Amino acid sequence: AQSVTQLGSHVSVSEGALVLLRCNYSSSVPPYLFWYVQYPNQGLQLLLKYTTGATLVKGINGFEAEFKKSETSFHLTKPSAHMSDAAEYFCAVSRAGGYNKLIFGAGTRLAVHP
Amino acid sequence: EPEVTQTPSHQVTQMGQEVILRCVPISNHLYFYWYRQILGQKVEFLVSFYNNEISEKSEIFDDQFSVERPDGSNFTLKIRSTKLEDSAMYFCASSEQAGQSTEAFFGQGTRLTVV
Repeated sequence: AQSVTQLGSHVSVSEGALVLLRCNYSSSVPPYLFWYVQYPNQGLQLLLKYTTGATLVKGINGFEAEFKKSETSFHLTKPSAHMSDAAEYFCAVSRAGGYNKLIFGAGTRLAVHP
Repeated sequence: EPEVTQTPSHQVTQMGQEVILRCVPISNHLYFYWYRQILGQKVEFLVSFYNNEISEKSEIFDDQFSVERPDGSNFTLKIRSTKLEDSAMYFCASSEQAGQSTEAFFGQGTRLTVV
Protein backbone atom coordinates (compact mmCIF):
# COMPACT_ATOMS: atom_id res chain seq x y z
CA ALA A 1 0.00 0.00 0.00
CA GLN A 2 1.09 3.56 -0.60
CA SER A 3 0.92 6.40 1.89
CA VAL A 4 2.08 9.96 2.35
CA THR A 5 3.11 11.73 5.53
CA GLN A 6 3.41 15.48 5.72
CA LEU A 7 5.33 16.66 8.74
CA GLY A 8 3.84 19.77 10.26
CA SER A 9 0.19 20.65 9.78
CA HIS A 10 1.05 24.34 10.11
CA VAL A 11 4.20 26.14 9.02
CA SER A 12 4.79 29.85 9.53
CA VAL A 13 7.56 31.82 7.83
CA SER A 14 8.49 35.43 7.38
CA GLU A 15 8.19 37.07 4.00
CA GLY A 16 11.47 36.51 2.16
CA ALA A 17 12.42 33.46 4.22
CA LEU A 18 12.97 29.96 2.93
CA VAL A 19 9.89 27.77 2.65
CA LEU A 20 10.37 24.08 3.42
CA LEU A 21 7.38 21.76 3.49
CA ARG A 22 8.13 18.15 4.24
CA CYS A 23 6.70 15.08 2.58
CA ASN A 24 7.65 11.46 3.04
CA TYR A 25 6.07 8.63 1.15
CA SER A 26 5.78 4.91 1.40
CA SER A 27 5.58 2.83 -1.73
CA SER A 28 6.52 -0.67 -2.73
CA VAL A 29 6.95 0.40 -6.33
CA PRO A 30 8.52 3.47 -7.92
CA PRO A 31 6.18 6.31 -7.05
CA TYR A 32 4.95 9.25 -9.00
CA LEU A 33 4.77 12.23 -6.63
CA PHE A 34 2.82 15.46 -6.74
CA TRP A 35 2.46 18.69 -4.84
CA TYR A 36 -0.88 20.48 -5.01
CA VAL A 37 -1.75 23.88 -3.57
CA GLN A 38 -5.14 25.08 -2.41
CA TYR A 39 -5.71 28.80 -2.04
CA PRO A 40 -8.67 29.92 0.05
CA ASN A 41 -11.99 29.12 -1.58
CA GLN A 42 -10.31 27.54 -4.59
CA GLY A 43 -9.69 24.04 -5.87
CA LEU A 44 -6.51 22.03 -5.87
CA GLN A 45 -3.89 23.28 -8.29
CA LEU A 46 -0.88 21.25 -9.38
CA LEU A 47 2.40 22.87 -8.35
CA LEU A 48 4.76 20.22 -9.67
CA LYS A 49 5.18 16.51 -10.21
CA TYR A 50 7.88 13.91 -10.30
CA THR A 51 7.51 10.97 -12.62
CA THR A 52 10.87 9.77 -13.89
CA GLY A 53 14.18 11.35 -14.82
CA ALA A 54 15.60 14.38 -13.09
CA THR A 55 15.07 14.22 -9.36
CA LEU A 56 14.93 17.99 -8.90
CA VAL A 57 11.61 19.20 -10.20
CA LYS A 58 10.69 22.82 -10.77
CA GLY A 59 7.13 23.98 -10.58
CA ILE A 60 5.07 27.10 -10.76
CA ASN A 61 5.48 30.19 -8.59
CA GLY A 62 9.14 29.47 -7.87
CA PHE A 63 8.60 26.21 -6.04
CA GLU A 64 10.71 23.13 -6.48
CA ALA A 65 10.97 19.70 -4.95
CA GLU A 66 13.60 17.01 -4.87
CA PHE A 67 12.87 13.32 -5.03
CA LYS A 68 15.21 11.42 -2.72
CA LYS A 69 14.66 7.73 -3.00
CA SER A 70 17.06 6.85 -0.19
CA GLU A 71 15.11 9.07 2.18
CA THR A 72 11.68 8.37 0.65
CA SER A 73 11.16 12.09 0.63
CA PHE A 74 9.79 14.73 -1.72
CA HIS A 75 10.13 17.99 0.18
CA LEU A 76 8.86 21.23 -1.30
CA THR A 77 10.99 24.35 -1.15
CA LYS A 78 10.95 27.96 -2.21
CA PRO A 79 13.93 30.24 -1.58
CA SER A 80 11.94 33.34 -0.69
CA ALA A 81 8.38 33.34 0.56
CA HIS A 82 5.80 35.83 -0.66
CA MET A 83 2.62 36.80 1.10
CA SER A 84 0.72 35.27 -1.79
CA ASP A 85 2.15 31.84 -0.98
CA ALA A 86 -0.11 31.53 2.04
CA ALA A 87 -2.23 28.47 1.27
CA GLU A 88 -2.61 24.80 2.06
CA TYR A 89 -0.18 22.42 0.38
CA PHE A 90 -0.83 18.77 -0.28
CA CYS A 91 1.68 16.10 -1.19
CA ALA A 92 0.29 13.12 -3.09
CA VAL A 93 1.49 9.84 -4.52
CA SER A 94 0.05 8.02 -7.45
CA ARG A 95 -0.77 4.41 -6.97
CA ALA A 96 0.98 1.91 -9.15
CA GLY A 97 -1.23 0.67 -11.91
CA GLY A 98 -4.82 1.56 -12.55
CA TYR A 99 -6.10 5.01 -13.22
CA ASN A 100 -4.89 8.27 -11.85
CA LYS A 101 -5.85 7.62 -8.25
CA LEU A 102 -4.01 9.97 -5.94
CA ILE A 103 -3.24 9.26 -2.30
CA PHE A 104 -2.89 12.51 -0.40
CA GLY A 105 -1.11 13.59 2.71
CA ALA A 106 -2.95 15.50 5.42
CA GLY A 107 -1.80 18.86 4.12
CA THR A 108 0.33 21.66 5.50
CA ARG A 109 -1.06 25.13 5.98
CA LEU A 110 1.56 27.75 5.20
CA ALA A 111 1.30 31.16 6.80
CA VAL A 112 3.54 34.02 5.64
CA HIS A 113 3.89 37.03 7.88
CA PRO A 114 5.48 40.40 7.13
CA GLU B 1 -7.84 28.43 -19.34
CA PRO B 2 -10.05 25.34 -19.18
CA GLU B 3 -11.22 24.43 -15.72
CA VAL B 4 -13.37 21.96 -13.85
CA THR B 5 -16.46 23.58 -12.43
CA GLN B 6 -18.57 22.31 -9.58
CA THR B 7 -22.01 23.29 -8.40
CA PRO B 8 -23.20 24.20 -5.89
CA SER B 9 -20.30 25.59 -3.90
CA HIS B 10 -22.18 24.93 -0.66
CA GLN B 11 -25.04 22.58 0.06
CA VAL B 12 -26.86 22.00 3.30
CA THR B 13 -29.12 18.98 3.48
CA GLN B 14 -31.05 17.11 6.13
CA MET B 15 -29.93 13.68 7.18
CA GLY B 16 -31.62 11.01 5.10
CA GLN B 17 -32.13 13.23 2.09
CA GLU B 18 -30.69 12.57 -1.33
CA VAL B 19 -28.14 15.00 -2.69
CA ILE B 20 -26.60 15.38 -6.12
CA LEU B 21 -23.29 17.14 -6.58
CA ARG B 22 -22.58 18.34 -10.07
CA CYS B 23 -19.37 18.74 -12.00
CA VAL B 24 -18.47 19.85 -15.49
CA PRO B 25 -15.08 18.36 -16.37
CA ILE B 26 -12.72 19.85 -18.93
CA SER B 27 -14.24 19.19 -22.31
CA ASN B 28 -11.60 16.95 -23.91
CA HIS B 29 -10.94 14.93 -20.78
CA LEU B 30 -11.94 11.31 -20.64
CA TYR B 31 -11.29 10.31 -17.03
CA PHE B 32 -13.27 11.62 -14.11
CA TYR B 33 -12.87 11.36 -10.36
CA TRP B 34 -14.48 12.27 -7.09
CA TYR B 35 -12.51 12.91 -3.92
CA ARG B 36 -13.66 14.15 -0.57
CA GLN B 37 -12.08 15.86 2.41
CA ILE B 38 -13.71 15.68 5.80
CA LEU B 39 -12.82 18.75 7.82
CA GLY B 40 -9.36 18.36 9.32
CA GLN B 41 -8.67 15.12 7.50
CA LYS B 42 -6.92 13.98 4.33
CA VAL B 43 -8.25 14.30 0.83
CA GLU B 44 -9.56 10.80 0.05
CA PHE B 45 -10.23 9.11 -3.27
CA LEU B 46 -13.81 8.01 -3.81
CA VAL B 47 -14.21 6.84 -7.38
CA SER B 48 -12.84 7.02 -10.90
CA PHE B 49 -14.96 6.84 -14.03
CA TYR B 50 -14.14 6.15 -17.64
CA ASN B 51 -16.13 5.20 -20.69
CA ASN B 52 -19.40 5.44 -18.80
CA GLU B 53 -18.45 3.04 -16.07
CA ILE B 54 -16.69 3.00 -12.75
CA SER B 55 -13.07 1.98 -13.17
CA GLU B 56 -12.15 1.99 -9.51
CA LYS B 57 -13.81 2.83 -6.21
CA SER B 58 -12.69 3.06 -2.62
CA GLU B 59 -14.17 1.42 0.46
CA ILE B 60 -15.91 4.70 1.21
CA PHE B 61 -17.89 4.48 -2.01
CA ASP B 62 -20.62 2.15 -0.78
CA ASP B 63 -24.13 1.53 -2.09
CA GLN B 64 -25.25 4.96 -0.92
CA PHE B 65 -23.04 6.57 -3.56
CA SER B 66 -23.43 6.55 -7.30
CA VAL B 67 -21.92 8.45 -10.20
CA GLU B 68 -23.29 9.25 -13.58
CA ARG B 69 -22.43 11.08 -16.74
CA PRO B 70 -25.95 11.94 -17.85
CA ASP B 71 -24.88 13.85 -20.92
CA GLY B 72 -21.72 14.85 -22.72
CA SER B 73 -20.69 17.48 -20.25
CA ASN B 74 -21.84 16.74 -16.71
CA PHE B 75 -20.51 14.28 -14.16
CA THR B 76 -22.55 13.82 -11.01
CA LEU B 77 -22.13 12.26 -7.60
CA LYS B 78 -25.33 11.16 -5.86
CA ILE B 79 -25.64 10.29 -2.23
CA ARG B 80 -28.95 8.51 -1.74
CA SER B 81 -29.55 8.90 1.97
CA THR B 82 -27.12 11.30 3.54
CA LYS B 83 -25.58 10.72 6.94
CA LEU B 84 -23.96 13.20 9.27
CA GLU B 85 -20.57 11.71 8.48
CA ASP B 86 -21.01 12.55 4.79
CA SER B 87 -20.38 16.18 5.67
CA ALA B 88 -17.22 17.08 3.78
CA MET B 89 -15.74 19.00 0.89
CA TYR B 90 -16.23 17.02 -2.31
CA PHE B 91 -13.81 17.57 -5.17
CA CYS B 92 -14.36 16.58 -8.76
CA ALA B 93 -11.33 16.07 -11.00
CA SER B 94 -10.69 15.13 -14.58
CA SER B 95 -7.71 14.10 -16.65
CA GLU B 96 -7.06 13.80 -20.33
CA GLN B 97 -5.51 10.38 -20.04
CA ALA B 98 -5.10 7.66 -17.49
CA GLY B 99 -1.70 6.75 -16.19
CA GLN B 100 0.18 7.71 -13.12
CA SER B 101 1.89 10.78 -14.46
CA THR B 102 -1.13 12.43 -15.99
CA GLU B 103 -2.19 15.58 -14.24
CA ALA B 104 -5.62 15.61 -12.68
CA PHE B 105 -7.38 18.99 -12.75
CA PHE B 106 -9.54 19.69 -9.73
CA GLY B 107 -12.64 21.77 -9.29
CA GLN B 108 -13.17 24.23 -6.46
CA GLY B 109 -15.17 21.75 -4.46
CA THR B 110 -18.66 21.52 -3.01
CA ARG B 111 -18.95 21.84 0.71
CA LEU B 112 -21.70 19.48 1.85
CA THR B 113 -23.15 19.90 5.31
CA VAL B 114 -25.56 17.28 6.59
CA VAL B 115 -27.68 18.41 9.52
